[in-house]
Amino acid sequence: DSGVTQTPKHLITATGQRVTLRCSPRSGDLSVYWYQQSLDQGLQFLIQYYNGEERAKGNILERFSAQQFPDLHSELNLSSLELGDSALYFCASSVSPGAGGDTDTQYFGPGTRLTVL
Amino acid sequence: LAKTTQPISMDSYEGQEVNITCSHNNIATNDYITWYQQFPSQGPRFIIQGYKTKVTNEVASLFIPADRKSSTLSLPRVSLSDTAVYYCLVGGLHNTNAGKSTFGDGTTLTVKP
Repeated sequence: DSGVTQTPKHLITATGQRVTLRCSPRSGDLSVYWYQQSLDQGLQFLIQYYNGEERAKGNILERFSAQQFPDLHSELNLSSLELGDSALYFCASSVSPGAGGDTDTQYFGPGTRLTVL
Repeated sequence: LAKTTQPISMDSYEGQEVNITCSHNNIATNDYITWYQQFPSQGPRFIIQGYKTKVTNEVASLFIPADRKSSTLSLPRVSLSDTAVYYCLVGGLHNTNAGKSTFGDGTTLTVKP
């Protein structure tokens, strides 16, 4: 158990809908990362927050947005869903924001499996 | 984020030692090297991290040469349950390239009986 929690575990929805994925980081971690992993694909970095502020942005679609709240939990919002958005969405957390040191070690949650029908 | 290169796949047999090498020629001075393991439909799991020379923990060893341009993850006496994808990650996300997977493609290790 990494200490990172994600809800829900599974989500099934229809095209055009909007969903929200939730992540609670490990106690003491200030940084949250979101990744998308499609079937048989690598981990695609979406976005990172550090202490409530957006820190880094990857290949995140405009239909997707995220935020980190004062209690440090984070939500990833996916809207106007398409079939291709079906994937595993992982959240990770780390102590520091990504300066390259050992406190950048990311600890991953169990993921949310999103199925768009 | 330093670009990493790993073999796409490796096969081994139970009880053997497995060494997976990762190349990272443009590693920065303050970058650490971290290895993760991922099983299907699970989140990546931290295995080991190092900065230079050799690091050993209860599951693996990490060898880093003096120039730090590569690293080798060593798994002693693998079992069937070590079949997974192994990712090498260098540095942090301070230099993210949009659109690129910061974890690269990883190495799929298959352990056979």
